[in-house]
Amino acid sequence: AQSVAQPEDQVNVAEGNPLTVKCTYSVSGNPYLFWYVQYPNRGLQFLLKYITGDNLVKGSYGFEAEFNKSQTSFHLKKPSALVSDSALYFCAVRKGNTGFQKLVFGTGTRLLVSP
Amino acid sequence: DTGVSQNPRHKITKRGQNVTFRCDPISEHNRLYWYRQTLGQGPEFLTYFQNEAQLEKSRLLSDRFSAERPKGSFSTLEIQRTEQGDSAMYLCASSPGEGQPQHFGDGTRLSIL
Repeated sequence: AQSVAQPEDQVNVAEGNPLTVKCTYSVSGNPYLFWYVQYPNRGLQFLLKYITGDNLVKGSYGFEAEFNKSQTSFHLKKPSALVSDSALYFCAVRKGNTGFQKLVFGTGTRLLVSP
Repeated sequence: DTGVSQNPRHKITKRGQNVTFRCDPISEHNRLYWYRQTLGQGPEFLTYFQNEAQLEKSRLLSDRFSAERPKGSFSTLEIQRTEQGDSAMYLCASSPGEGQPQHFGDGTRLSIL
């Protein structure tokens, strides 16, 4: 069965500093990995994905993530945080190269960027 | 690209009543998904359609839940005989093909009195 762990309920960072939101996953076979962001009372917005290819993936709003197969991790990063980045971030995984479409999400990490 | 549209945004109903939610996916997205999200949790997969065919169903989708996508366009999710535990945000998503990201609507928040 697939699973995702986001070990930090909340990450605090000062504006202008780099940020990292951690994610580890478990899935049989090749993973498809995704990061989404959610603002209050809204749906999830897609940030970036890893399907295959380069381990460093660049996405929307200056975010990037690094796929590490040996550590089964897919941490989200941004070199310089903005106050407007404050939101709830979800990592998700599904089995790759199969017909199964089910995305399994982590419990989310709240990012708080202080001015 | 007008985004995924869900209606209503909020639904308040009494326990035991039936409710139906609608999802209009992004046009030309042939894949449609329903998820449920409770407070403090990530979304949980409920079901998946490719065109009009329902290809995956979670065990979370009890016999009180039914989803349809009759012409491969919009979809409806019906909950019969609602229970307190059904209170949640119900999210719909669509995607254009294999490996492509799912794009989510803003959800329908269901509150059971």
